[in-house]
Amino acid sequence: SQQGEEDPQALSIQEGENATMNCSYKTSINNLQWYRQNSGRGLVHLILIRSNEREKHSGRLRVTLDTSKKSSSLLITASRAADTASYFCASSLRNAGNNRKLIWGLGTSLAVNP
Amino acid sequence: DAEITQSPRHKITETGRQVTLACHQTWNHNNMFWYRQDLGHGLRLIHYSYGVQDTNKGEVSDGYSVSRSNTEDLPLTLESAASSQTSVYFCASSASGTGHEQYFGPGTRLTVT
Repeated sequence: SQQGEEDPQALSIQEGENATMNCSYKTSINNLQWYRQNSGRGLVHLILIRSNEREKHSGRLRVTLDTSKKSSSLLITASRAADTASYFCASSLRNAGNNRKLIWGLGTSLAVNP
Repeated sequence: DAEITQSPRHKITETGRQVTLACHQTWNHNNMFWYRQDLGHGLRLIHYSYGVQDTNKGEVSDGYSVSRSNTEDLPLTLESAASSQTSVYFCASSASGTGHEQYFGPGTRLTVT
């Protein structure tokens, strides 16, 4: 069963604009991760935020985590056509015996138009 | 450089045939995972392994099996292929004792006719 739910399902923006994707989850997590998937390729890990962190940056990526609302957001600033991809959130559960599996959302499809 | 590879990249097979998809990683990761990805369903976990001789069923394991005889390989076998198993299959691995970030292979596109 999927724990993560992402919204929007699809997002279309112009190059240079910011893109924000949201992810909600259901149970306590150890960390939450974001991945990118280009068409026809495997997923690539982008960034991880731990349950005791509230914000994290990596280049043009900014991730926030609100554990009280069980939600996270991924912001891509100054988007480029090359950012066109699907973005997935995945959570590692707090259950120590089960935290190596990731629970995946259904993804947000981002189209950045030149 | 360490990597995770899958073979074949594309496979067409007939209903009822046994098919094995290979996954090989050189990260020396303990944890390995098999997913299938279908439109509208996202990634669904088929089987996973936390080490040699360890295998576990995921949420969609019926009709699939895996074995882990060494650290590097986790082959996925479809015992008797069905049209419902037409999908893109991804293998992933992760290290223990970390945030469990997963590294993915390029995928195998399987068509069962």
